[in-house]
Amino acid sequence: NAGVTQTPKFQVLKTGQSMTLQCAQDMNHNSMYWYRQDPGMGLRLIYYSASEGTTDKGEVPNGYNVSRLNKREFSLRLESAAPSQTSVYFCASSYRGETQYFGPGTRLLVL
Amino acid sequence: RKEVEQDPGPFNVPEGATVAFNCTYSNSASQSFFWYRQDCRKEPKLLMSVYSSGNEDGRFTAQLNRASQYISLLIRDSKLSDSATYLCVVSLGGGYQKVTFGTGTKLQVIP
Repeated sequence: NAGVTQTPKFQVLKTGQSMTLQCAQDMNHNSMYWYRQDPGMGLRLIYYSASEGTTDKGEVPNGYNVSRLNKREFSLRLESAAPSQTSVYFCASSYRGETQYFGPGTRLLVL
Repeated sequence: RKEVEQDPGPFNVPEGATVAFNCTYSNSASQSFFWYRQDCRKEPKLLMSVYSSGNEDGRFTAQLNRASQYISLLIRDSKLSDSATYLCVVSLGGGYQKVTFGTGTKLQVIP
């Protein structure tokens, strides 16, 4: 049981480049989430998917898009990266939206 | 006012000490409460849920005060391995997916 996995672990982008962060869970959870974590700001919700086939905006969705590919996978796409998107990105999953299980994170640097 | 507020610390305590963290939340409709632990450069992990009657897990005790809208975490007999950031988490529950994380309180246990 791998839990929640994320790829890549680290990424450096130039301003304007695009990339997709991948997340998968093997716990048969209904809900999946993308957060970013910045110093002094705590975890902020970017997008979430309450169930397969649905996605909703969180607190800071601008500059991001998501795809809930199937029950297991939830990807986050940066279409045109900006330095303000330098952060640590965590994917999480849960059965009903409360206790959340996190992936190891992706550290993204945008130059 | 932030939805969930924590003293950022750091709390520097000697091994064996008892330390307590408080967290306040602004939404009186909040229904579920948790403490997560986050080690440096790692993902958050659930430490314990917080129940209305208070609950204990070994050296850790969590309390909820709905009237004053705060939760607390007490750690007895601190170990070096308790050094981490402790995140207060509040959920509206009822199937609603919104979970709000505090910015965390950093604990450093000193030999």
